[in-house]
Amino acid sequence: AQSVTQPDIHITVSEGASLELRCNYSYGATPYLFWYVQSPGQGLQLLLKYFSGDTLVQGIKGFEAEFKRSQSSFNLRKPSVHWSDAAEYFCAVGLNDMRFGAGTRLTVKP
Amino acid sequence: SQTIHQWPATLVQPVGSPLSLECTVEGTSNPNLYWYRQAAGRGLQLLFYSVGIGQISSEVPQNLSASRPQDRQFILSSKKLLLSDSGFYLCAWFDRSFGNTIYFGEGSWLTVV
Repeated sequence: AQSVTQPDIHITVSEGASLELRCNYSYGATPYLFWYVQSPGQGLQLLLKYFSGDTLVQGIKGFEAEFKRSQSSFNLRKPSVHWSDAAEYFCAVGLNDMRFGAGTRLTVKP
Repeated sequence: SQTIHQWPATLVQPVGSPLSLECTVEGTSNPNLYWYRQAAGRGLQLLFYSVGIGQISSEVPQNLSASRPQDRQFILSSKKLLLSDSGFYLCAWFDRSFGNTIYFGEGSWLTVV
């Protein structure tokens, strides 16, 4: 069955440190892949997306993600985290269905 | 431009009453349409999706149902609401010809009392 997993429920990093949020999926074919961010009380904002081509995708706010077909993963990275990056991050995956992971809550320490 | 309208924005309904949430899309044709529920502090749970008029795929076998009577209209319904149906409901659409992005409605807050 199709599924998407974000293994980390909560991650804490220090401001200025690097960040990697994990996303794994199970689909019969390469799906569309997305990362969204949601701040408290706010809607979902698209960070980046992948559907074909270069497997390293650049997004907004300095984020990037790498699609690895062999690992069925689409991990989100940022080289230096800012306090304003504290939020909930969702990976979304699908073909006709679009499934969201449970989310990873990011806390940034000063 | 592409827009999505979802209503009502807020709803307080007694247990056992019916439900109807409606979503319409403008500026596109034959999009994929979705209904999600987001519980407080949780992710988005896919409830239903539709790839065309009258075509509904159900992900959650509960007392909710969905219908797509027109190409750009998607309705979420229930005949009898349960307390556990409370939550934030989001309509969304996806169209490969419009940047391959998922677009979301404003959401509907449902409280079942």
